[in-house]
Amino acid sequence: NAGVMQNPRHLVRRRGQEARLRCSPMKGHSHVYWYRQLPEEGLKFMVYLQKENIIDESGMPKERFSAEFPKEGPSILRIQQVVRGDSAAYFCASSPTALSYEQYFGPGTRLTVT
Amino acid sequence: GEDVEQSLFLSVREGDSSVINCTYTDSSSTYLYWYKQEPGAGLQLLTYIFSNMDMKQDQRLTVLLNKKDKHLSLRIADTQTGDSAIYFCAVPNSGNTPLVFGKGTRLSVIA
Repeated sequence: NAGVMQNPRHLVRRRGQEARLRCSPMKGHSHVYWYRQLPEEGLKFMVYLQKENIIDESGMPKERFSAEFPKEGPSILRIQQVVRGDSAAYFCASSPTALSYEQYFGPGTRLTVT
Repeated sequence: GEDVEQSLFLSVREGDSSVINCTYTDSSSTYLYWYKQEPGAGLQLLTYIFSNMDMKQDQRLTVLLNKKDKHLSLRIADTQTGDSAIYFCAVPNSGNTPLVFGKGTRLSVIA
């Protein structure tokens, strides 16, 4: 059973461009969580999605950031018009149920904005 | 909301025990977690403890929970150079599933 997959692993964007980060949860998992890790910081929760629904987006910046988890395909975290402050590692976790002890993390996407 | 605090650095000699401490604010948390992050890698769940337990042991790892003081610790016995990593304490936010992480403790093991 493959683990949580994220791609790309590294992404470089110029200021003003769009970044799309993809997360494929573990097989059988229908709950996805996105976290952001700034340099020298812990992970900060961004958004929690279940198939086709956003359950909790209390950690998402109000502008430029959006997330989806369609019926088919991976979950996508989209950042429009990136700025230098968006440079961070973005981690996705998945779980089969809405229970935190079952969250499994992917390897992360490291976004660098130049 | 939940707040989780950890000391940032710990240095130990190979073969010694390491103790990493964490404090949290929300007493309703049901599970409390320790994750390990190696350089450039994602997070690996090391262990977790249910809030009605005081202690959990798993091979070289011992987790101690003091609910009264809202204090969680991770002890690594016979620390090896391969244990060098950042260790994160994580607690659910007010019983919900999104986890609140501490800033991580960077463990350096000196041979």
